[in-house]
Amino acid sequence: DGGITQSPKYLFRKEGQNVTLSCEQNLNHDAMYWYRQDPGQGLRLIYYSQIVNDFQKGDIAEGYSVSREKKESFPLTVTSAQKNPTAFYLCASTGQLNSPLHFGNGTRLTVT
Amino acid sequence: AQKITQTQPGMFVQEKEAVTLDCTYDTSDQSYGLFWYKQPSSGEMIFLIYQGSYDEQNATEGRYSLNFQKARKSANLVISASQLGDSAMYFCAMRVYNQGGKLIFGQGTELSVKP
Repeated sequence: DGGITQSPKYLFRKEGQNVTLSCEQNLNHDAMYWYRQDPGQGLRLIYYSQIVNDFQKGDIAEGYSVSREKKESFPLTVTSAQKNPTAFYLCASTGQLNSPLHFGNGTRLTVT
Repeated sequence: AQKITQTQPGMFVQEKEAVTLDCTYDTSDQSYGLFWYKQPSSGEMIFLIYQGSYDEQNATEGRYSLNFQKARKSANLVISASQLGDSAMYFCAMRVYNQGGKLIFGQGTELSVKP
């Protein structure tokens, strides 16, 4: 079955450490996205990529980095520069502009 | 700048009744799409319905319909015959097509269905 896989589901890190969240899709979608969700809030866009080897900053890119070396993969690194990294992170992809985004099941990151 | 506004943080509805969730949007672009997603407590995002800015008919998908009023820039979601399983967060989202396809979300409405 085609879909988006985010791993791990739960992630715990100490403050000051970089951490990388995985996102893999087998839907053959060109565009991929990373969103952050805080409790009781909507989704805020971190980074997005429309094609391989290209990506754009979203509304809250500071403290995050991404890469898009393969069409299927769009990993997100939460760096130590991110002031409040504890959140729920959702990855998504889509094939066409008028098509809905397909979401992964998310990664809950806790930094202490 | 594009913006999505959902003014109802929480809503209650009796089982089997209809409910309308409000969404207004702001964009100066003519070509855009509007989406509604459901997020249960598990956290997954479930796509419900889509309306394109040039679509003349309101979108419908089963018990979901989108009341699209372009002049008012509103895209309200109507859920008919509410079920207990409809209890969740609901998000309205917009994609402006000349903005590289990024999807922006509203703050969400938490819907609770009472038995």
